[in-house]
Amino acid sequence: EAQVTQNPRYLITVTGKKLTVTCSQNMNHEYMSWYRQDPGLGLRQIYYSMNVEVTDKGDVPEGYKVSRKEKRNFPLILESPSPNQTSLYFCASSLRASIVNEKLFFGSGTQLSVL
Amino acid sequence: ELKVEQNPLFLSMQEGKNYTIYCNYSTTSDRLYWYRQDPGKSLESLFVLLSNGAVKQEGRLMASLDTKARLSTLHITAAVHDLSATYFCAVVPNTGNQFYFGTGTSLTVIP
Repeated sequence: EAQVTQNPRYLITVTGKKLTVTCSQNMNHEYMSWYRQDPGLGLRQIYYSMNVEVTDKGDVPEGYKVSRKEKRNFPLILESPSPNQTSLYFCASSLRASIVNEKLFFGSGTQLSVL
Repeated sequence: ELKVEQNPLFLSMQEGKNYTIYCNYSTTSDRLYWYRQDPGKSLESLFVLLSNGAVKQEGRLMASLDTKARLSTLHITAAVHDLSATYFCAVVPNTGNQFYFGTGTSLTVIP
C-alpha cells in the first residue's frame, strides 16, 4: 500500500532531550516536507527536500534539523526540544520536485509534548 | 510576509444548505490546493487548481480559482453530515516550492 509512515504517533519528552521523528514513503517521491500544526495557525512548513541531499528551510526551521540521505526517508531531529515545540507534526511527500500538479500525501501525524 | 487567509474559521450549517468557504492569498500564484482533515486524522487532498478560472467538482464540493483576485472558493452544495471536517487551502508561490497553508475552516453540519 502506498503510504507515508511516521513514527512515533505520540511522544512525550522533557526539555533538552534529543529526539528524532522518522518519516518514510514507499512511493518513490522526490519531494518531502515537514509541517507543524498548531491551533489557530494552520500548518506551517518547517523544512522541505526536493531530492536526496537537497534540503531547504521553510517558515519555521528554528530548533529543527533534517537530513535526506535516502530518497525514501526524511527524519526530523530536535536537538534540544523546548516546550514551544509541543505540537502536532506531519510529514508529507509528492511525486515530483517541481510539484506543479502534484498533491501532497500526508503521514498520520506525530503528537509531540515537551515538558 | 506571505499570508493565506480563510473565511470563515468556523462554520456551522444545517444539512441541505449551501455555503462557500473563501481563501485569500497575498502572493502571485497559479497553484492552489484544498485539503480535508477529519478530527484526529491526517490531511487528504481534495482539489488541485492550476490556472486562472480553474474549476473542479467532486460530489457536493466545488472549488474555483481566480488568480487575478488571489481568491479561491470552496462551495458546498446541499451539505450532509459526512462533510463535517476542517478544510485547508494551500498556496505555492509561482517563484517557489514551498506550501503555505491557511488557518483552516472547521465545518460542522447539523442534522
